[in-house]
Amino acid sequence: EVQLLESGGGLVQPGGSLRLSCAASGFTFSSYAMSWVRQALGKGLEWVSVISDNGGSTNYADSVKGRFTISRDNSESTLYLQMNSLRADDTAVYYCAKGRGAIRGAFDYWGLGTLVTVSS
Amino acid sequence: DIQMTQSPSSLSASVGDRVTITCRASQGISNYLAWYQQKPGKVPKLLIYAASTLQSGVPSRFSGSGSGTDFTLTISSLQSEDVATYYCQKYYSAPFTFGPGTKVDIK
Repeated sequence: EVQLLESGGGLVQPGGSLRLSCAASGFTFSSYAMSWVRQALGKGLEWVSVISDNGGSTNYADSVKGRFTISRDNSESTLYLQMNSLRADDTAVYYCAKGRGAIRGAFDYWGLGTLVTVSS
Repeated sequence: DIQMTQSPSSLSASVGDRVTITCRASQGISNYLAWYQQKPGKVPKLLIYAASTLQSGVPSRFSGSGSGTDFTLTISSLQSEDVATYYCQKYYSAPFTFGPGTKVDIK
């Protein structure tokens, strides 16, 4: 059974940093692209970032480019999102999602999400 | 970047009705289009990928069509458990933008 478990969310002050993790199991983690998607309370889904199966290719939404860094450890089946220079509008539930392909693809499995709150 | 729009933004229909949601891309994306269902308080669920391929386990009353810039999600006979917000998403190339969503409820 595929499982994705996010952790690392919490309350952080504006300008602060946070590192999210997503522990994956139940599939060959190193064979699939992984993404982060966020959702502010009562709002729609916003794609944040993607990393290819081997970590060699990454992409970011303009809203987080230069502040967030996606990475993965295939030996540990874990996805990360390093978030720096956090702003109030980064407040959201952050989901990790598995792509159907090595580089791109629809998101066939999602974690339960971790809440990030940016506030003083 | 390619923009994704959806219409309508919300709809109310009766149980058993045929429901159609439209998604439009600002540029052609071939068939790299997915549809998701998000029930209140729940995680999004993949319904359809490659514009028209039903994800395993999804009821056959859901179907998708389209290619290029115009796509539709159809629920052939709306059920009470289909109350949710539906999102389209393009994955032709990054950014993998989602549409703004269509909220479906029961009349």
